Amino acid sequence: GAVVSQHPSRVICKSGTSVKIECRSLDFQATTMFWYRQFPKQSLMLMATSNEGSKATYEQGVEKDKFLINHASLTLSTLTVTSAHPEDSSFYICSAPSGPNYGYTFGSGTRLTVV
Amino acid sequence: GENVEQHPSTLSVQEGDSAVIKCTYSDSASNYFPWYKQELGKGPQLIIDIRSNVGEKKDQRIAVTLNKTAKHFSLHITETQPEDSAVYFCAASRGNNAGNMLTFGGGTRLMVKP
Repeated sequence: GAVVSQHPSRVICKSGTSVKIECRSLDFQATTMFWYRQFPKQSLMLMATSNEGSKATYEQGVEKDKFLINHASLTLSTLTVTSAHPEDSSFYICSAPSGPNYGYTFGSGTRLTVV
Repeated sequence: GENVEQHPSTLSVQEGDSAVIKCTYSDSASNYFPWYKQELGKGPQLIIDIRSNVGEKKDQRIAVTLNKTAKHFSLHITETQPEDSAVYFCAASRGNNAGNMLTFGGGTRLMVKP
């Protein structure tokens, strides 16, 4: 089946630094990647939608200059959290439409802790 | 935009009993309704999905029903086992073509007591 590989699974960074999260589609082409954020005991909230070769679309309230998304190829999308602060600590998950049989395939998530 | 509501937020059942989780949606154009199981620290895993051209789908102990007129769909788990304990999310979409996002319900924490 379709697989989205997400790395790193966990990262701890100092306040003010940047962190890059990668999502790769392993056996299919992901023209679109959805990026979600999930706070403890809450649902997944869509942050942005990236499309290969074009600018990402951000949901209301999500700072595009803080959460940089790059989707330069059909198999790789990245989310960079810039100048991270403790309130950015969360679980970040990517997802891509993976065809009619697999629906949407999710990455395994990245637990970001900003100290 | 789409709004998906999910109930209950927590559900505790005895092993072997059935569990039912219900969701409603607002966008009449939604036609794809997946259910995900999420274990602690992991990404959501698809357990079953249904499209708007059918009213019910079953896969072993798991079934999903869809009522398009009422805009609600439900997850049924029979003969629950402790390993079914997790958080379950329903979602709705206009289809999994590129650009159609999923909107999630608030989640249900299912606890199956041995």
